[in-house]
Amino acid sequence: GEDVEQSLFLSVREGDSSVINCTYTDSSSTYLYWYKQEPGAGLQLLTYIFSNMDMKQDQRLTVLLNKKDKHLSLRIADTQTGDSAIYFCAEEKNTDKLIFGTGTRLQVFP
Amino acid sequence: GAGVSQTPSNKVTEKGKYVELRCDPISGHTALYWYRQSLGQGPEFLIYFQGTGAADDSGLPNDRFFAVRPEGSVSTLKIQRTERGDSAVYLCASSLMGQGNHEQYFGPGTRLTVT
Repeated sequence: GEDVEQSLFLSVREGDSSVINCTYTDSSSTYLYWYKQEPGAGLQLLTYIFSNMDMKQDQRLTVLLNKKDKHLSLRIADTQTGDSAIYFCAEEKNTDKLIFGTGTRLQVFP
Repeated sequence: GAGVSQTPSNKVTEKGKYVELRCDPISGHTALYWYRQSLGQGPEFLIYFQGTGAADDSGLPNDRFFAVRPEGSVSTLKIQRTERGDSAVYLCASSLMGQGNHEQYFGPGTRLTVT
């Protein structure tokens, strides 16, 4: 099947690190993405990683890729209330379409 | 520069009616995608255009759904004989293909409600 799986909810205290996990299905996917969606807003591309990499860091964001286990994670350092949103991982199929997970709702509390 | 825009932002229609949803991609982006997002779900792929032609329409749920991009820029998603199950947010994305570019940039979406 084409199921990309994510846990539904994550709650963290402001200032802590958040780790959002994702498992995907297609070992031939070349790019894997993380998108952020705030209430009533469109999808914002946060970062992506090429499948021959195992880590990518971009300011507060760190992406880890375990290709053997088809596992992707997004770590947000020093999580802020403005990071509260739904986070989607997505894998890119060979025709360039994206297959999205169901999203993880991140709630940051003071 | 301007991002992807979609019109209308909201559309309420009665069951059985015909609707058109419009997408204006980022200028110069050759690839255009339509996705549908139901409540509590991630976006689901519908169709992908490279230039004027549909390169992959495998996500269109049935023949009531059709999309065009006649001049390789603006695209229209057309839904005939709408059903209540078509209610969702319809998202459009565009991308500058080639030269290592893979990022898809999304518009704000059109929320379609079929009553």
